[in-house]
Amino acid sequence: QKEVEQDPGPLSVPEGAIVSLNCTYSNSAFQYFMWYRQYSRKGPELLMYTYSSGNKEDGRFTAQVDKSSKYISLFIRDSQPSDSATYLCAMRSNYQLIWGAGTKLIIKP
Amino acid sequence: NAGVTQTPKFQVLKTGQSMTLQCAQDMNHNSMYWYRQDPGMGLRLIYYSASEGTTDKGEVPNGYNVSRLNKREFSLRLESAAPSQTSVYFCASWGGADTQYFGPGTRLTVL
Repeated sequence: QKEVEQDPGPLSVPEGAIVSLNCTYSNSAFQYFMWYRQYSRKGPELLMYTYSSGNKEDGRFTAQVDKSSKYISLFIRDSQPSDSATYLCAMRSNYQLIWGAGTKLIIKP
Repeated sequence: NAGVTQTPKFQVLKTGQSMTLQCAQDMNHNSMYWYRQDPGMGLRLIYYSASEGTTDKGEVPNGYNVSRLNKREFSLRLESAAPSQTSVYFCASWGGADTQYFGPGTRLTVL
């Protein structure tokens, strides 16, 4: 079993929909949780960062961490075609990040 | 301020050839990383350097070597390339909890 599980998709939704992306993990020691966005043929870029449990909001994006369930989510409101990308979750363990496989998101105009 | 730069952007090798991928960062970060990314596999850590003068193996180190030349530069070497090393390689640097930056990647094909 991988330490971090993420559905690879693709997930296809119409423009304007609310998108929910999720990861589960097995290591209860993780405390830093991140979401990266990767456009095709580009490097990943940090989108959201959360420490421990709770919610964090940034514009149309909300990151949610439930440590009791070992489950993290990224919500995108009012989704736009420009949000079409692969979204990777990552969790910090000492000097390393442990990565999910990434979910490919397609927003249809 | 260029962030993280990688060279080359593309490379085609024949089986058995060697090459070095170069990475440099200008953000004064202590930690640097080399990843490979394959379809459906996400990012897999090859090697990392927590600070200048130290290097450690990641998840998939076999067939690779690294050198942390100084605080700015971290190179990845393939001594004898194999088709299984066909991948996209990313270098990253990390200055703190929420400041990991990636380079643009090197697309490597081994024939």
